Amino acid sequence: DSGVTQTPKHLITATGQRVTLRCSPRSGDLSVYWYQQSLDQGLQFLIQYYNGEERAKGNILERFSAQQFPDLHSELNLSSLELGDSALYFCASSVTGTGGNEKLFFGSGTQLSVL
Amino acid sequence: AQSVTQPDIHITVSEGASLELRCNYSYGATPYLFWYVQSPGQGLQLLLKYFSGDTLVQGIKGFEAEFKRSQSSFNLRKPSVHWSDAAEYFCAVPNQAGTALIFGKGTTLSVSS
Repeated sequence: DSGVTQTPKHLITATGQRVTLRCSPRSGDLSVYWYQQSLDQGLQFLIQYYNGEERAKGNILERFSAQQFPDLHSELNLSSLELGDSALYFCASSVTGTGGNEKLFFGSGTQLSVL
Repeated sequence: AQSVTQPDIHITVSEGASLELRCNYSYGATPYLFWYVQSPGQGLQLLLKYFSGDTLVQGIKGFEAEFKRSQSSFNLRKPSVHWSDAAEYFCAVPNQAGTALIFGKGTTLSVSS
């Protein structure tokens, strides 16, 4: 158990809808990262927050947004969903937020299916 | 630009046999290098990390990896594979800003009895 909690584990929705994925980081970790894992693109970095503020952006679509709350949990909002958004969405956390050189702790992911 | 290539999509190894998973990277300087493992239905778990010093790095679960600058490689090895090692393995390097990891496409390891 990594200590990172993601809910829900599975989400099935229709095209055009909006969903919210939730992540609680490991106790003491200030930084949260969101990754998308799909068969064709592999693992793609979406966005990082550190202590409530956006720190880095990756390949995140404009239809997607995220935030980190004062209690450090984070939410990833996906809107105007398309079939191609179907993927496994991972949240990871770390202590210092220097995601390129420190250990990341991953949650077990949210499997999103857009029908 | 930074990138990671894992040439083998799927490898099958007999239980008790040795294992080597290949990883090639492209990076401007001496990189941090990582291997993560993803078991079915689970998130990724760090196996080991290289950032400097000894080019042979020991990790958890009996894995090791060797950094070879001349070959831009960071191959993962295990002398004797167990059935529980069946999983997907990812090699990773930092992005240019150092803010996140770039992952390879992964290698799926199957273990036969």
